[in-house]
Amino acid sequence: DADVTQTPRNRITKTGKRIMLECSQTKGHDRMYWYRQDPGLGLRLIYYSFDVKDINKGEISDGYSVSRQAQAKFSLSLESAIPNQTALYFCATAPGGSENIQYFGAGTRLSVL
Amino acid sequence: GQNIDQPTEMTATEGAIVQINCTYQTSGFNGLFWYQQHAGEAPTFLSYNVLDGLEEKGRFSSFLSRSKGYSYLLLKELQMKDSASYLCAVRRANAGNMLTFGGGTRLMVKP
Repeated sequence: DADVTQTPRNRITKTGKRIMLECSQTKGHDRMYWYRQDPGLGLRLIYYSFDVKDINKGEISDGYSVSRQAQAKFSLSLESAIPNQTALYFCATAPGGSENIQYFGAGTRLSVL
Repeated sequence: GQNIDQPTEMTATEGAIVQINCTYQTSGFNGLFWYQQHAGEAPTFLSYNVLDGLEEKGRFSSFLSRSKGYSYLLLKELQMKDSASYLCAVRRANAGNMLTFGGGTRLMVKP
């Protein structure tokens, strides 16, 4: 079983719809992240959380919200999807400590029509 | 702000050595990471440098010069399965230790 699991793996939705992407982990890490990836732009940070009561905006948080329901779960919502939110979305987790290496889920490919 | 530059694409031959460069301009530097990403898959951690010098892990090595804002990833004895994108990422202590990623270098290994 994967340590960092994202659901769904693929999703097609329409402009204006609310959609939630889910991430769960069995690594026991406190830190969780949401990124989006667009061709040629690399990974860009949307939101991150260092524990259940901690939520922080990343580089491109507009149009997104998150919920940290438990240490192991971190959900990303698009309140009203728009076509330029079509992208590959990755969840990542990391332990604390000096190295703080991030481990990524398999990704969710989202298309907004 | 920060700026991370790496070549968009590179091509190399199976069995050869390839060096992928990454230059960065950032404040609060606190480490540089390399990730490998096969098409449509998750990035996977390759290496981490926080001090100047070379870190070697089997066929892969990573080098860092903090004074020059420069790193490279060296891949030896290239295999076809090494065809992937290689992502350089900088961690900043003055930004909650967040990672900022470059656009990635797509490496194609030819027989």
